[in-house]
Amino acid sequence: EVQLVESGGGLVQPGGSLRLSCAASGFTFFSNWMYWVRQAPGKGLVWVSRINSDGRSTTYADSVKGRFTISRDNAKNTLYLQMNSLRVEDTAVYYCASLPDYWGQGTLVTVSS
Amino acid sequence: SYELTQAPSVSVSPGQTARITCSGETLPRRYAYWYQQKSGQAPVLVIYEDSKRPSGIPERFSGSSSGTMATLTISGAQVEDEADYYCYSTDSSGDLQVFGGGTKLTVL
Repeated sequence: EVQLVESGGGLVQPGGSLRLSCAASGFTFFSNWMYWVRQAPGKGLVWVSRINSDGRSTTYADSVKGRFTISRDNAKNTLYLQMNSLRVEDTAVYYCASLPDYWGQGTLVTVSS
Repeated sequence: SYELTQAPSVSVSPGQTARITCSGETLPRRYAYWYQQKSGQAPVLVIYEDSKRPSGIPERFSGSSSGTMATLTISGAQVEDEADYYCYSTDSSGDLQVFGGGTKLTVL
């Protein structure tokens, strides 16, 4: 059974940092491109970032470029999202995904003073 | 930036056919995917590569794509199909991912 389990969300002040993790199991993590997708409260899905299978190629949505960093550890079957200089508008549920098929249940990030 | 456009809402009666559309300039060259998301839950893939249905998805869900428009069709919609539906694709380079704004399907 495929499982993607996110962790690391929480409440952070504007300008602060958080690191999200996503533990993967049940599929060949090392061969899959991985993605982060977020959903603000009551809003739609928004793609945030993606990383290729060996971690050498990454892309970001314009809204997070320069502030967020995606990475992976294939030895640990884990995906990461380092989020710096957080803004109120970054408040959302963050999903880890192996698009198009597999999604985690999400972790809530709240940016508020 | 690249965009996929969906109508905000669609409403049908139980047993009727619901059609949800998604328009985007690269859809003639890029596959469309469709997700169903019920309140408080993660998205579930219901159609991939324009028209293929994953195992476990009811046959009443179908997809098609023509020109710059992709369509998700739910034939004989049921109350349990009430959800938000999102299309997903990529830009022309394949490097940037994009979701449509979502369509809220009401079945009542």
